[in-house]
Amino acid sequence: LAKTTQPISMDSYEGQEVNITCSHNNIATNDYITWYQQFPSQGPRFIIQGYKTKVTNEVASLFIPADRKSSTLSLPRVSLSDTAVYYCLVREGKLIFGQGTELSVKP
Amino acid sequence: EAGVAQSPRYKIIEKRQSVAFWCNPISGHATLYWYQQILGQGPKLLIQFQNNGVVDDSQLPKDRFSAERLKGVDSTLKIQPAKLEDSAVYLCASSYGGFNYGYTFGSGTRLTVV
Repeated sequence: LAKTTQPISMDSYEGQEVNITCSHNNIATNDYITWYQQFPSQGPRFIIQGYKTKVTNEVASLFIPADRKSSTLSLPRVSLSDTAVYYCLVREGKLIFGQGTELSVKP
Repeated sequence: EAGVAQSPRYKIIEKRQSVAFWCNPISGHATLYWYQQILGQGPKLLIQFQNNGVVDDSQLPKDRFSAERLKGVDSTLKIQPAKLEDSAVYLCASSYGGFNYGYTFGSGTRLTVV
């Protein structure tokens, strides 16, 4: 069963741009790619969703290449409060979360 | 807009006891999901409802887990009897439609089985 693949952890410093890439080789034609953020003791929170090319909102950008086999979440100028686990979610027959990327932002 | 409500927030039970969790989704959201999140892992889908019908329950351990969504609104998830490995956070989420709509998650119920 195909799964998404993300780096397990990343470190960054305040003010830097952070890019987290997710691989999803068997994504279905009609499915979207969604990213969620999760803080300890809370449920995941929707960040951004896209189908192809680039999507931008007030908190992040999502880059999706033409083959859609991967996606990159970009967080501009991170702060300490961006320390969290980030998941990408695609529908690959079943609704599967990736293992998540634990982002640690340091001062 | 009110969020997804879950209760209780925490629950501690002994193994072989039973437990039930309750979820009230966002008004108008037809699709409801229950996820299990073990510490250090991503959420795992247990069951998906569309209105009051089950869409996917392939990962629900049906010998001990059951779920219902009467009248297509609130939902309950039950475990009977509980095992030590059921210790996890149980998350409820809802959305307007299928996967291509974003989910809204509740804060979850943290279950500890001792």
